[in-house]
Amino acid sequence: NAGVTQTPKFQVLKTGQSMTLQCAQDMNHNSMYWYRQDPGMGLRLIYYSASEGTTDKGEVPNGYNVSRLNKREFSLRLESAAPSQTSVYFCASTNGPGTEAFFGQGTRLTVV
Amino acid sequence: SQKIEQNSEALNIQEGKTATLTCNYTNYSPAYLQWYRQDPGRGPVFLLLIRENEKEKRKERLKVTFDTTLKQSLFHITASQPADSATYLCALDPMNTGFQKLVFGTGTRLLVSP
Repeated sequence: NAGVTQTPKFQVLKTGQSMTLQCAQDMNHNSMYWYRQDPGMGLRLIYYSASEGTTDKGEVPNGYNVSRLNKREFSLRLESAAPSQTSVYFCASTNGPGTEAFFGQGTRLTVV
Repeated sequence: SQKIEQNSEALNIQEGKTATLTCNYTNYSPAYLQWYRQDPGRGPVFLLLIRENEKEKRKERLKVTFDTTLKQSLFHITASQPADSATYLCALDPMNTGFQKLVFGTGTRLLVSP
């Protein structure tokens, strides 16, 4: 039982490059999330998927797109990376209100 | 505006003492509040959830209180150990709907010295 798995763990991009962060959960959770974490800012919600087939914007969606490929997988795409997107990205999943969130180990992204 | 505030300064305590961390929120009416632990380079890990009708919740050396009048939650670690050193995050769901969308505080770093 792996929980939430994110790939890659580290990535360096040049400004303007694109990439996709992958996330998969094996707990049969309905809801999945992408957060970014910056020093002094805490975790901020980028996009979320309440259930398979739906996605919606969070607090800081600009510059990102997401795909809920199936119930297990939720990917985050940066179409044209900018230095402001340098951050640690976390994927999470839950099984509804009042339940704990399970997080992946994070992706440390640097945009130069 | 809506805010969740945790003390941004690190809390330094000696081993064996009780650590108390504070989470204050403004302009939310959450049905429950959660606490997470985060170690460097790792994702947050769930610790406890407390509901609005619960005054206190305990799990081993951990205790959480929730005061909806003060809009505050306190997180206590009794008989603290160096292994308790980490950043602790509080989180709440502002929507109280059929879908959970957690909003997190910035976290408080706890350092327990031997």
